[in-house]
Parts: sequence; C-alpha cells; structure tokens
Amino acid sequence: EIVLTQSPATLSLSPGERATLSCRASQSVSSYLAWYQQKPGQAPRLLIYDASNRATGIPARFSGSGSGTDFTLTISSLEPEDFAVYYCQQRSNWPPGNTFGQGTKLEIK
Amino acid sequence: QVQLVESGGGVVQPGGSLRLSCAASGFTFSSYGMHWVRQAPGKGLEWVAFIRYDGSNKYYADSVKGRFTISRDNSKNTLYLQMNSLRAEDTAVYYCAKDLRLAAAGTDYFDYWGQGTLVTVSS
Repeated sequence: EIVLTQSPATLSLSPGERATLSCRASQSVSSYLAWYQQKPGQAPRLLIYDASNRATGIPARFSGSGSGTDFTLTISSLEPEDFAVYYCQQRSNWPPGNTFGQGTKLEIK
Repeated sequence: QVQLVESGGGVVQPGGSLRLSCAASGFTFSSYGMHWVRQAPGKGLEWVAFIRYDGSNKYYADSVKGRFTISRDNSKNTLYLQMNSLRAEDTAVYYCAKDLRLAAAGTDYFDYWGQGTLVTVSS
C-alpha cells in the first residue's frame, strides 16, 4: 500500500504570504497525484490533478509540482478564503485504489 | 449542474448493517466511475470503494474489504454502498464522489462530491 505523508501538519501564515505544502509518497506514484481543499462542514474540492493541472475554476495562485515521490502545492499569495485543510491523494492502478495524505491545516497567523 | 445527494445514514449497533444511496444528476452517470470516501469525526479523508462506470470492476480499501459492497444502478442514476458487520471505527461521514474523467479505465480523481451522510456505529 502506498502511504502519503504530508508536511507540515499545521502551517501558520498571514494573508498575502506564500504557502508551500509538501506531500511525500512511500513509493513512486509517477504524476498520479491530486490536491484537495476542505473547509469546515464542507466536502473537499479538487484543486490540482496529475500533479500540476489546475481543476476547472481554480484560481491561478494555486499551483502544483513534482513527480515520483515528492510533490508540492504552492499558493502564491494567500487570500482569506484559502485558510483550510489541504489533502494530497494518489490514484494507483496496482494495487488498484486511492489513498489520501493525513492533511495539512493552513491557519491564519 | 452536477449534483450528488447521499442518503441512508443513521445510528446502527455494532455488527449491524446499513445501505447508503447516492442519487446523481446533471451528468451522464453511466459514463463515470464513482467512489465512496469517508471521514471520521475530526479526522482525515479515507477512500472506501470504487466502481467502474459500467460496474465491471470494483475495488475496496483493506479496512472494508469483505464487509462493504459497492454497486450502481445506471438506469436509476444511483450509487449504493451496502455496509455489513459494522464496527465503531466505521463511524464517519460518507461521501460519494464522481470520477474526473469520462470512462476512465481505472480509478481517477474526484471532481464532484456530495454533501455526505453520517453513519454512527454505537450501542
């Protein structure tokens, strides 16, 4: 089973600052990685898929990079609505299935 | 617009059963793989199960394999999750979610999610 480890667990930043979130896979997932944002009481929202492709309607301040085992989600300049929990997720053909990282909470400093 | 509406959650005793439903609209349901994802109170996301767009392939997380069964009725645009032998650790909000891409051969990412239904396993 592929394990995804996100760091840091909590990130405290101010609006306007740059956020860098990390996701590391226990073995290569190629570019089969996505990022989601979840706010309290809401379902998650897809931000990035295949490591670097922005989903429909996602602002350009969100970007993803990486391949193999190391991935990064960058928010170039934080808006007040960006403070939330972020999850990475990989999709695997073998063994078939999906796994999530444990999440990074992005909080207002 | 795409809508996914879960139902069927509630309180059940350990060892009991429950069937969740997810009514889909706003897209061609029979052309997309579908998933169940759960989230225990205050915890992270856990993928539970996947069913291919045509129902031909089903995959499960190890934590639910042999106890949960995913199915779909493309004529009714509805996804199901039959949950048997429920345990306290199955307590969670259960979301149904849609594959990003049309007729994906394997599992994919999730571009639309329902609002979730709460399952509580407790005596």
